[in-house]
Amino acid sequence: AQSVTQLGSHVSVSEGALVLLRCNYSSSVPPYLFWYVQYPNQGLQLLLKYTSAATLVKGINGFEAEFKKSETSFHLTKPSAHMSDAAEYFCAVSYGSARQLTFGSGTQLTVLP
Amino acid sequence: DGGITQSPKYLFRKEGQNVTLSCEQNLNHDAMYWYRQDPGQGLRLIYYSQIVNDFQKGDIAEGYSVSREKKESFPLTVTSAQKNPTAFYLCASSRGQGANQPQHFGDGTRLSIL
Repeated sequence: AQSVTQLGSHVSVSEGALVLLRCNYSSSVPPYLFWYVQYPNQGLQLLLKYTSAATLVKGINGFEAEFKKSETSFHLTKPSAHMSDAAEYFCAVSYGSARQLTFGSGTQLTVLP
Repeated sequence: DGGITQSPKYLFRKEGQNVTLSCEQNLNHDAMYWYRQDPGQGLRLIYYSQIVNDFQKGDIAEGYSVSREKKESFPLTVTSAQKNPTAFYLCASSRGQGANQPQHFGDGTRLSIL
């Protein structure tokens, strides 16, 4: 069964600091991986996706993620945090024959002034 | 603009009552999904549909029902059998059945018990 683990349910960074949100997946076959962002009382918005092309994936709002097969990881980064980045972030995984996404439990990002 | 519309934004249910959450999309997507979101638990799949007049149970289908009579519509009914319905419900759609297709989400319906 597919699964994804997000390490750290809450992460706080100072404005201008590096953002690093961790995601590890379990897989016996090549996965498709996604990062979504959710603002309060809203739906999820796709930030970026990995679908077996380049291992470094660039997304919207200056975010990027690197697929590392040896570490089964897909961590999300942004060089410089902005106040508007404060939100909840979800990592999700699916596989070639799967019909559904499996989501991690989410990481709440707080950006301190 | 194309997108997914969920209504109502807030909904209250009385004991023993069934309620229906609406989800409409104008993205011409084949697949549609319903998720339940509880604090600290991420999203859990309730039902999904990949084609009109067909749908499949997800991980937590008990106490819920759906229909898919039109491509653009996928309503969710929360029945009286669902004993803990208070949650944020999200509808999503995707272009095809492939696992590499991202899902697009509506803005959710928050359901509470009176």
